[in-house]
Amino acid sequence: GAGVSQSPRYKVAKRGQDVALRCDPISGHVSLFWYQQALGQGPEFLTYFQNEAQLDKSGLPSDRFFAERPEGSVSTLKIQRTQQEDSAVYLCASSLGSGYLSEQYFGPGTRLTVT
Amino acid sequence: GNSVTQMEGPVTLSEEAFLTINCTYTATGYPSLFWYVQYPGEGLQLLLKATKADDKGSNKGFEATYRKETTSFHLEKGSVQVSDSAVYFCALSDRAGGGADGLTFGKGTHLIIQP
Repeated sequence: GAGVSQSPRYKVAKRGQDVALRCDPISGHVSLFWYQQALGQGPEFLTYFQNEAQLDKSGLPSDRFFAERPEGSVSTLKIQRTQQEDSAVYLCASSLGSGYLSEQYFGPGTRLTVT
Repeated sequence: GNSVTQMEGPVTLSEEAFLTINCTYTATGYPSLFWYVQYPGEGLQLLLKATKADDKGSNKGFEATYRKETTSFHLEKGSVQVSDSAVYFCALSDRAGGGADGLTFGKGTHLIIQP
């Protein structure tokens, strides 16, 4: 069966441009997470959705970052006015349930390079 | 806040050697602990987990025991194979204790197994 997919896999943006990163979770998964992984670091939590509700956005680094999941399935992470420090791999994960032990399944990530 | 510290890599071992990757954590509550693995060219996958003190997680010959007294969750394997070469991430979840909804990861340890 299909896992979590993300697109594009690679994105190069000029500083100041807006970007949109897409995540297709596993069908039927209630929970969706976004993480940011800088080079040589572990993933850092950005935001969490339960169905269409964004329940936790405590990890979003600035108001330039915005995420949505309007129909409780596909999610989009948008970064406005990109900066060089936004260069990272952006990971999406989904889980079947909403409980804290529900296993998270990760996508391959989108590598964003801001020049 | 919560944090995870794991040994720096790369760790290079010969096939059939004994493996230990150290992981210690700081958390305000009683977190659940995880090891994730990322094989070359693939996404993060859950390797094993433990949800309470003295629990032992195990999978594919790997083991880790949740030690509350030393706040540790060291990963071990008795005899490594070339196919175990990957990056290993220790992580915690403090959702049950009211923490953020996402996982907190260590920086990762790159393991290289030589034939």
